[in-house]
Amino acid sequence: SYELTQPPSVSVSPGQTASITCSGDKLGDKFVSWYQQRPGQSPLLVIYENGERPSGIPERFSGSNSGNTATLTISGAQALDEADYYCQAWDTNTEVFGGGTKLTVL
Amino acid sequence: EVQLEQSGAEVKKPGESLKISCTGSGFSFTRYWVGWVRQRPGKGLEWMGIIYPDDSDTRYSPSLQGRVTMSADKSIRTAYLQWSSLKASDTAMYYCVRRASTGGHLDYWGQGTLVTVSS
Repeated sequence: SYELTQPPSVSVSPGQTASITCSGDKLGDKFVSWYQQRPGQSPLLVIYENGERPSGIPERFSGSNSGNTATLTISGAQALDEADYYCQAWDTNTEVFGGGTKLTVL
Repeated sequence: EVQLEQSGAEVKKPGESLKISCTGSGFSFTRYWVGWVRQRPGKGLEWMGIIYPDDSDTRYSPSLQGRVTMSADKSIRTAYLQWSSLKASDTAMYYCVRRASTGGHLDYWGQGTLVTVSS
């Protein structure tokens, strides 16, 4: 079965840039989405189709996907960006999620 | 406004049956796939499967091994997830999601239904 691998945790200082990676075999051939989940809340779509932002998502969120790695970039990270982030792709009739990355802003 | 409203929290005993629901509003319910995502306590997101309410075409995650049944009643814009015999390992938050018409992303999420299975 297809697998997506994320680092368990990433730390960033306020105002700096955070990058969260998601790796999978030939991932660049697929569309990747990213979800933010704050404690006690439902996940929220922040990036779809590799680099598109839904309405209402701040411009500091961006995404890219090439080769075997997709990357979520948060430019000028803020305290409210502290959350778990999950990548997701579709493979052979099923959705696949990465294991999640806890982003700490400190 | 697109909304997915899920049924309330449940506490069940092992071996009992359960059916939880997800009612959509603000969009054409029969034109989108509706899926289910499991999140066990302190763990990540797990894909369970998806249903097309217009014709009830259903695709399950291979990892479920027939443990759940997904269904839908398009006349009341509601999707269901049910178990015939719960296990303690089914304790989790269950989210229903709308799958976008293009791209495969999950653009709207319900508030979640917490299922607790304990003797």
